[in-house]
Amino acid sequence: QKEVEQNSGPLSVPEGAIASLNCTYSDRGSQSFFWYRQYSGKSPELIMSIYSNGDKEDGRFTAQLNKASQYVSLLIRDSQPSDSATYLCAVAQAGTALIFGKGTTLSVSS
Amino acid sequence: NAGVTQTPKFQVLKTGQSMTLQCAQDMNHNSMYWYRQDPGMGLRLIYYSASEGTTDKGEVPNGYNVSRLNKREFSLRLESAAPSQTSVYFCASSPQPLEVYEQYFGPGTRLTVT
Repeated sequence: QKEVEQNSGPLSVPEGAIASLNCTYSDRGSQSFFWYRQYSGKSPELIMSIYSNGDKEDGRFTAQLNKASQYVSLLIRDSQPSDSATYLCAVAQAGTALIFGKGTTLSVSS
Repeated sequence: NAGVTQTPKFQVLKTGQSMTLQCAQDMNHNSMYWYRQDPGMGLRLIYYSASEGTTDKGEVPNGYNVSRLNKREFSLRLESAAPSQTSVYFCASSPQPLEVYEQYFGPGTRLTVT
């Protein structure tokens, strides 16, 4: 069974802090990695994609990929209350559709 | 540019009733997907269409059928609804199938089967 694992949380951080969200996956053949943000009652919204080892930065968001460790993370710098949401990790394995983790709930307190 | 649209937004069915969920995208994407999302289960793929004229089963296809009507539209049909199909259903699309390309989601349909 190919799996994507995330800590369900909630992860609580104060406003202005760095939030670190982690995801591990089981299939070494995985090729593409995505982070989606989902506000309560809303649909998932793509915020980051990463395809090669290392870091990818976009504004306050940094995605990190380590294929040897089968690990992908999302860092949110200067966290804001508006960042409070569930963050879904999704992994694309060769020849198959996206596999989603169950999500980590982030709560940013002001 | 509306992106991915879904109708209806909410629906209540009785056990055994049938219905069709509609999805349309205006981004000229080739691939479309149907997911269901249940508490504690995450997003699970029901069916997908890699391109116009093709459909394939996902992780949880039982009890559902799909039709790729044209490049824009992909519908999901419940022939005989069961309480286990109570869920939030999301349609998504992507430029090309499966790996590599990002998927964009519609607003969802909240379905309750009593």
